[in-house]
Amino acid sequence: EVQLVESGGGLVQAGGSLRLSCVGSGFLFGGYAMNWVRQAPGKGLEWVSTITGSGGTTHYADSVKGRFTISRDNSKNTAFLQVSSLRAEDTALYYCAKATHVSVALVDSWGRGTLVTVSS
Amino acid sequence: EIVMTQSPATLSVSPGERATLSCRASQSVSSNLAWYQQKRGQAPRLLIYGASTRATDIPARFSGSGSGTEFTLTISSLQSEDFAVYYCQHYNNWPPWTFGQGTRVDIK
Repeated sequence: EVQLVESGGGLVQAGGSLRLSCVGSGFLFGGYAMNWVRQAPGKGLEWVSTITGSGGTTHYADSVKGRFTISRDNSKNTAFLQVSSLRAEDTALYYCAKATHVSVALVDSWGRGTLVTVSS
Repeated sequence: EIVMTQSPATLSVSPGERATLSCRASQSVSSNLAWYQQKRGQAPRLLIYGASTRATDIPARFSGSGSGTEFTLTISSLQSEDFAVYYCQHYNNWPPWTFGQGTRVDIK
């Protein structure tokens, strides 16, 4: 069974930083792209970032480009999202999601999320 | 950026009735379209990909259709567990891989 467990969220002041982690199990971690998707309180889903299985290619939404960095350590079955220069509008539940072999952006398994709250 | 527009925002349906949800892309995404279901307090779940292929363990009452810019998710006979928010997302060639704003399916 695929499991994804996020951690690292918390309350941070505007301009601050956090490092979100996502540990995967139940699948060959390095064989799949990983995504981060966020959801502001009471709002819809927003794609944030994608990293390929090897870590060689990354993609970002314009809203986070230059402030967030996605990475992974396949030896530890872990994906990361470094979130910096945080703004109030970055307040959200951040989900880690495993991609399929169909597309790096088509996800078929999600974690429960980790909450990031940015105070102004 | 491809904009995904879902309609209606809210759909009120009685149990056992059919629900039809729409998703429109601002430019063609071919068949690179997925539907997700999100229940309150839960992570989303993949329902449909490739516009019409059901994901693993998804009941046959869920079906998807369309290609290019117009897509439909149909729930043939709503069950109590189907009342949720539904999102479409394109995964066409290049990012950003945007979601629609969601359709809430409520009990009538």
